[in-house]
Amino acid sequence: QQQVKQSPQSLIVQKGGISIINCAYENTAFDYFPWYQQFPGKGPALLIAIRPDVSEKKEGRFTISFNKSAKQFSLHIMDSQPGDSATYFCAARDSGSARQLTFGSGTQLTVLP
Amino acid sequence: GAGVSQSPSNKVTEKGKDVELRCDPISGHTALYWYRQSLGQGLEFLIYFQGNSAPDKSGLPSDRFSAERTGGSVSTLTIQRTQQEDSAVYLCASSLVQGGTEAFFGQGTRLTVV
Repeated sequence: QQQVKQSPQSLIVQKGGISIINCAYENTAFDYFPWYQQFPGKGPALLIAIRPDVSEKKEGRFTISFNKSAKQFSLHIMDSQPGDSATYFCAARDSGSARQLTFGSGTQLTVLP
Repeated sequence: GAGVSQSPSNKVTEKGKDVELRCDPISGHTALYWYRQSLGQGLEFLIYFQGNSAPDKSGLPSDRFSAERTGGSVSTLTIQRTQQEDSAVYLCASSLVQGGTEAFFGQGTRLTVV
């Protein structure tokens, strides 16, 4: 059972545009929601993360919006750059004993120059 | 090294052979995770180690998969009698403590079963 649903699967944005990636979850036990960025041939790297007690977190050009009642969260990349072209994964951490991250299926972002 | 190190970076094996994948976590990190990333898919949790506690094996897809962590540091993921559907990138991650807010990933081992 997929616990974190991510969309779109792929996204093409012009340089300077806004990239928006959405995720939805079902498990109310999730207590931490990170986004990871992965370049080809590399492992995922933490980009930005949010806890459910806040509705928005901004770090530079990256913003997470979190809607606890709807069980949805999204990543916004402002002023998208070609260097942002990568695969983005949303994730959620279980508050239970294992604390492993459950990942979405990923979004391949291409920012055109 | 400063990061999570995985070896080999690439492995091609024949169907039915056993393979071992290695992960060296960041020094001092007590939590270690293995994930599998199939082409175009997200990351599938396999197994988790925390200190000297019994590992959480709930994500292992079959009894052909096993993992150990020696001395609370290096971990080895073993796949016996490999099948073509085992082809994927196997990622290891470590964090400072159980459920630590940042999990650091290695760059993975790309396994191809032919």
